[in-house]
Amino acid sequence: GAGVSQSPRYKVAKRGQDVALRCDPISGHVSLFWYQQALGQGPEFLTYFQNEAQLDKSGLPSDRFFAERPEGSVSTLKIQRTQQEDSAVYLCASSTRLRLNSYEQYFGPGTRLTVT
Amino acid sequence: LAKTTQPISMDSYEGQEVNITCSHNNIATNDYITWYQQFPSQGPRFIIQGYKTKVTNEVASLFIPADRKSSTLSLPRVSLSDTAVYYCLVGDSDQTGANNLFFGTGTRLTVIP
Repeated sequence: GAGVSQSPRYKVAKRGQDVALRCDPISGHVSLFWYQQALGQGPEFLTYFQNEAQLDKSGLPSDRFFAERPEGSVSTLKIQRTQQEDSAVYLCASSTRLRLNSYEQYFGPGTRLTVT
Repeated sequence: LAKTTQPISMDSYEGQEVNITCSHNNIATNDYITWYQQFPSQGPRFIIQGYKTKVTNEVASLFIPADRKSSTLSLPRVSLSDTAVYYCLVGDSDQTGANNLFFGTGTRLTVIP
């Protein structure tokens, strides 16, 4: 069956540009997560949705980062006025259950963002 | 926030059993222990999860001592395709609003022919 998909897979942005990264979770999955992964590091939590509700956004590094999931399915991570330190792979994951860590998360392939 | 400590890297020959230990001294009562595998240019993939004692599935075993302050992922008879980064993840299963998913830097396993 279809897994989590993300688009675009690669994005090059000039410093100061806005970008929008899309995540299509597995159909029916209630929970959706965004992570940021710098080169050589593990994924770092950004934000978490339960259906359309954004329950935790404490990992968003600045107010330039914004995430939404208006209909409880597709999610978009938007970064305004991109900076070079935003260069990373952005991973999306979804899951069927409501509780954070007692279940399996299904990850997408990620979007590699390069800010020049 | 329960954080983890793992070896940065490990090497193993094909066909050997590999054990990767993760320390999580501050694990909380409700925390589960989850291991993920990540290949280059891919998202992490779930391997196994446990709460206490031993859990086994078709790809790995997870050993958790009684105090739960550490856990060991065991990969039987590794092959070249097991070369990847392995993450130990500890988090609270009840708090839907807490930021407590911490991957750390993981253990880079290299399987040698």
